[in-house]
Amino acid sequence: DAGITQSPRYKITETGRQVTLMCHQTWSHSYMFWYRQDLGHGLRLIYYSAAADITDKGEVPDGYVVSRSKTENFPLTLESATRSQTSVYFCASSEEGAYGYTFGSGTRLTVV
Amino acid sequence: GQNIDQPTEMTATEGAIVQINCTYQTSGFNGLFWYQQHAGEAPTFLSYNVLDGLEEKGRFSSFLSRSKGYSYLLLKELQMKDSASYLCAVRDLTNNNDMRFGAGTRLTVKP
Repeated sequence: DAGITQSPRYKITETGRQVTLMCHQTWSHSYMFWYRQDLGHGLRLIYYSAAADITDKGEVPDGYVVSRSKTENFPLTLESATRSQTSVYFCASSEEGAYGYTFGSGTRLTVV
Repeated sequence: GQNIDQPTEMTATEGAIVQINCTYQTSGFNGLFWYQQHAGEAPTFLSYNVLDGLEEKGRFSSFLSRSKGYSYLLLKELQMKDSASYLCAVRDLTNNNDMRFGAGTRLTVKP
């Protein structure tokens, strides 16, 4: 299916475990982004990527790792999950120079 | 730094008009965006302003004043399905052209 897909949709994990959230887009968009959304904070940028093998930190990168070996995939890894990382995570993509972003459906992550 | 402020909640009546305001402070303004987000869903793009003035798109319009650091989203002929959160976002050249979001305004449309 064309579009941007995130998996899993829901995840519960324990403190200290490593977790990877997946993001896949079929448009060959150059830019991809990871945001987290928390009540009272809105969407906050974690990491973004301008192209394969190019990534950069956003507003709240601590505790997260990203990679982009292929244009279509942009996984986000929590190396050692903490309760403060309980959130809804959204992946987004856009073409270079495009106005808006297209968001995936989100992953609701709970760290217990 | 970058501050984006919008009201937390608003309520309006079906068929009415509602204006959602957004104020921002940024060093390298490069566009203002409005997104709609229904509960439990992804944000969807509504509008984009980079020059001063009003952009109209059907029942929705967005206004920008760069000198005042101010935008509003105007929703006309409100429908129940317009109940959602509306997110204001600003792109900043001094922040790697990142898009930063306000906390969102939750709009409830009542019959």
